[in-house]
Amino acid sequence: GAVVSQHPSRVICKSGTSVKIECRSLDFQATTMFWYRQFPKQSLMLMATSNEGSKATYEQGVEKDKFLINHASLTLSTLTVTSAHPEDSSFYICSASSLSGNTIYFGEGSWLTVV
Amino acid sequence: GQNIDQPTEMTATEGAIVQINCTYQTSGFNGLFWYQQHAGEAPTFLSYNVLDGLEEKGRFSSFLSRSKGYSYLLLKELQMKDSASYLCAVMDSNYQLIWGAGTKLIIKP
Repeated sequence: GAVVSQHPSRVICKSGTSVKIECRSLDFQATTMFWYRQFPKQSLMLMATSNEGSKATYEQGVEKDKFLINHASLTLSTLTVTSAHPEDSSFYICSASSLSGNTIYFGEGSWLTVV
Repeated sequence: GQNIDQPTEMTATEGAIVQINCTYQTSGFNGLFWYQQHAGEAPTFLSYNVLDGLEEKGRFSSFLSRSKGYSYLLLKELQMKDSASYLCAVMDSNYQLIWGAGTKLIIKP
């Protein structure tokens, strides 16, 4: 079974609204979680790395005020897409690293459609 | 249920060739991905196959047979830096990614 759970798997929202995606590690404590974005038939693009209890580290070109990441506990990280636009429509996937850092588990991904 | 199978661990010699297999059973198919992941780091994209056949990219090649639910990743001229985990992932009919557990590849001198 899944060890990292993402919710929702699909969401449709209106332009200008905000949407939150949750990433939970189910069987382990995740000190580090990664958030990715993927366009069809393309590779995962790392957006940011979040460590529990500290601010996320964003990759170059990713707007931190638009993509808010909160990693408040060792089992939960959230990505909030603020003031969403149609170009934000994409597949978002999270992954979580165990305390040892040797293994990274991926969530199932979340499809966001902004209309 | 949906399932991705790949060997847990493989060992190969520097300079040699290794083939990592992946078999899948999913609800529909919209492409198969291979990723490389070094310990403690985020994965990096290697290949994407959606049509049958072999895709070659430098030392790495990926093959897909949709009728057999089978793919392999072929690594040639192995280097020590190729020691990593290799993840196979399939996008199903709902466009959700189903991940394999990964194959840990150990390269010996």
